Amino acid sequence: EIVLTQSPATLSLSPGERATLSCRASQSVNNYLAWYQQKPGQAPRLLIYDASNRATGIPARFSGSGSGTDFTLTISSLEPEDFAVYYCQQRKSWPPFTFGPGTKVDIK
Amino acid sequence: QVQLVESGGGVVQPGTSLRLSCAASGFTFSKYAMHWVREAPGKGLEWVAVISYDGNNKFYTDSVKGRFSISRDNSKSTLWLQMNSLRAEDTAVYYCGRDQGGITEIARGALDFWGRGTVVTVSS
Repeated sequence: EIVLTQSPATLSLSPGERATLSCRASQSVNNYLAWYQQKPGQAPRLLIYDASNRATGIPARFSGSGSGTDFTLTISSLEPEDFAVYYCQQRKSWPPFTFGPGTKVDIK
Repeated sequence: QVQLVESGGGVVQPGTSLRLSCAASGFTFSKYAMHWVREAPGKGLEWVAVISYDGNNKFYTDSVKGRFSISRDNSKSTLWLQMNSLRAEDTAVYYCGRDQGGITEIARGALDFWGRGTVVTVSS
């Protein structure tokens, strides 16, 4: 099973700042990595698939990069609605599809 | 627009059964694999099961194998999760999600639409 680790666990930033979230895989997942955003009481929302492709309707301030074992989700300038938990997920080797533990982006 | 609506959650005792449903609308259900993902209290997301677009292929996470069964009825645009021998550790919000891929693969693995979830509590 591929294990994903995310860092930091919590990121405290102010609106307008840049957020950089990391996801590391226990073995290569090529570029088969997705990022999701989840707000309290809501379902997750797909942001990025295959490491760098924005899903439909996702603003351009969200970008993904990386391949192999190291990946980054960047939010170029945080909007108030971006404060949430972010998960990465791999689809290279399954079952199971696995998620990272999440990074919480909260308001400083 | 794509809509996924889960139902069937509740409070049950350990060892009992529950069947979750997911009603889909706004897209051609029969062309997409479908997933169940759960979120235990205070925990992150855990993938549970996937079923291919035609129902011929099903996969599960190890902790539910032999206890849970995923199924679908394309004529009714409905997905189910039959959960037997429930344990306290199955307590979670259960989400159904649409696989991003289509009929060319069993499952692509990214979930592009999700329901709002249904709560399952297993407690004596």
